[in-house]
Amino acid sequence: AQSVAQPEDQVNVAEGNPLTVKCTYSVSGNPYLFWYVQYPNRGLQFLLKYITGDNLVKGSYGFEAEFNKSQTSFHLKKPSALVSDSALYFCAVRDSDSSYKLIFGSGTRLLVRP
Amino acid sequence: GAVVSQHPSRVICKSGTSVKIECRSLDFQATTMFWYRQFPKKSLMLMATSNEGSKATYEQGVEKDKFLINHASLTLSTLTVTSAHPEDSSFYICSAPSTGDLYEQYFGPGTRLTVT
Repeated sequence: AQSVAQPEDQVNVAEGNPLTVKCTYSVSGNPYLFWYVQYPNRGLQFLLKYITGDNLVKGSYGFEAEFNKSQTSFHLKKPSALVSDSALYFCAVRDSDSSYKLIFGSGTRLLVRP
Repeated sequence: GAVVSQHPSRVICKSGTSVKIECRSLDFQATTMFWYRQFPKKSLMLMATSNEGSKATYEQGVEKDKFLINHASLTLSTLTVTSAHPEDSSFYICSAPSTGDLYEQYFGPGTRLTVT
C-alpha cells in the first residue's frame, strides 16, 4: 500500500534562513509525489510535483523539492524563508490503483519567525 | 487557472439536522471529485470519490448512509451530512482532477461545519 510520512509536526525557522520540510514515501511502483500548502481555513494549494525526470523539482513561491529514490524521500526546501510562508504543508503520493486519488501525509506546520 | 468552489464556507447546524455542502468546478468539467475531511491538528482523510452519473465510492470506515454524495452534473458534487452530531464537526474539503494535467488536482476552499 502507498503511504507518506512527515516526521515533523512543526518546523521553526527564522526569516531569511533556509527551510526544509521532510517527507518520506512508500510505494509499490513509480512514485508520483506532490507538495501542497494550506493557509488557515483555506483549501490546499499546489506547490510542486515529481512525476519523472530531474530529481530537483522547482515549484511555486520559490519552493523546490528533491526526489531521492535511494532514501525514498521528497523533502521540500526553500533557500530563504519568509514570514508569509508560515502555513501547513502536506506531502502526498498518488495511489497506484487510481489515476487521481491522493494519499496525504499528516502535515507539517511551518512557523517562520521574523 | 482552474477553480473549485465550495458553498457554504461555514455552517452551523443543530444536532439531528442535515446539512448539504456543494462543490463546484467553475471553469472545467469534472467527472470525478473527491471529498476529504480534515480533523483538528491537520490530518486530511479521504472520505469518498464522487463519480458523475454513478454511485460514489466510499473509503473504508466512512458511513455511506451518513455522508450522502451526489454528483448530478459534470460541475457539481454535493455532500450531505445526515442527522449530524457534534462529532461530525470538521473541515470538509473537495477536490477535482485537472483536465489538462492528469497529475494535478484543484482543491476547494473548504467548508467549516459546526454541529451544536
